[in-house]
Amino acid sequence: DVKVTQSSRYLVKRTGEKVFLECVQDMDHENMFWYRQDPGLGLRLIYFSYDVKMKEKGDIPEGYSVSREKKERFSLILESASTNQTSMYLCASSLWGSPLYGYTFGSGTRLTVV
Amino acid sequence: DQQVKQNSPSLSVQEGRISILNCDYTNSMFDYFLWYKKYPAEGPTFLISISSIKDKNEDGRFTVFLNKSAKHLSLHIVPSQPGDSAVYFCAAITSGNTGKLIFGQGTTLQVKP
Repeated sequence: DVKVTQSSRYLVKRTGEKVFLECVQDMDHENMFWYRQDPGLGLRLIYFSYDVKMKEKGDIPEGYSVSREKKERFSLILESASTNQTSMYLCASSLWGSPLYGYTFGSGTRLTVV
Repeated sequence: DQQVKQNSPSLSVQEGRISILNCDYTNSMFDYFLWYKKYPAEGPTFLISISSIKDKNEDGRFTVFLNKSAKHLSLHIVPSQPGDSAVYFCAAITSGNTGKLIFGQGTTLQVKP
């Protein structure tokens, strides 16, 4: 089974801190994604990557950046955390060219910015 | 611009009855539609999908119906079980290697014993 692992389940950070959310997948998937989930808004795409060192903006990239130095790892960076970035963050991966089976998600990181 | 919409935030049904979750979309270029199920403190898990060239796909208790002319799809769960209580997300994607899943807002299903 594909496994997508997010390094932290819960995080509490202070406003202005630099925050790193790490995601690792073990099935050699080309595609990796970062979403955030908020009540009433569903899952919104922040950034995605189709290959190492490659990244593209999703629908809500402001305040975030990403890094993909290795195929299996995709990091989300909050340069200066703000309270409106309090959310559930979900990482996902998928095979290149296999849309029918969608993505495999990690368990999520609940980030609280105080 | 919300391309995939789930207009019902919540649904409550009795155990053993049918649950019907609805989803509307605006982009006629979507090639595949998927349903995900999410429990609290867990990531979404894939449930069932349908290609745009079909109008029905069935997998056990779960059936997805697609009405392309109305740009509408629905997920039927029969019979509903308490373990089905979760948030259900509708999602859509265009074909091709660089397709991205676009999600709806989610519907919280509660199945009462």
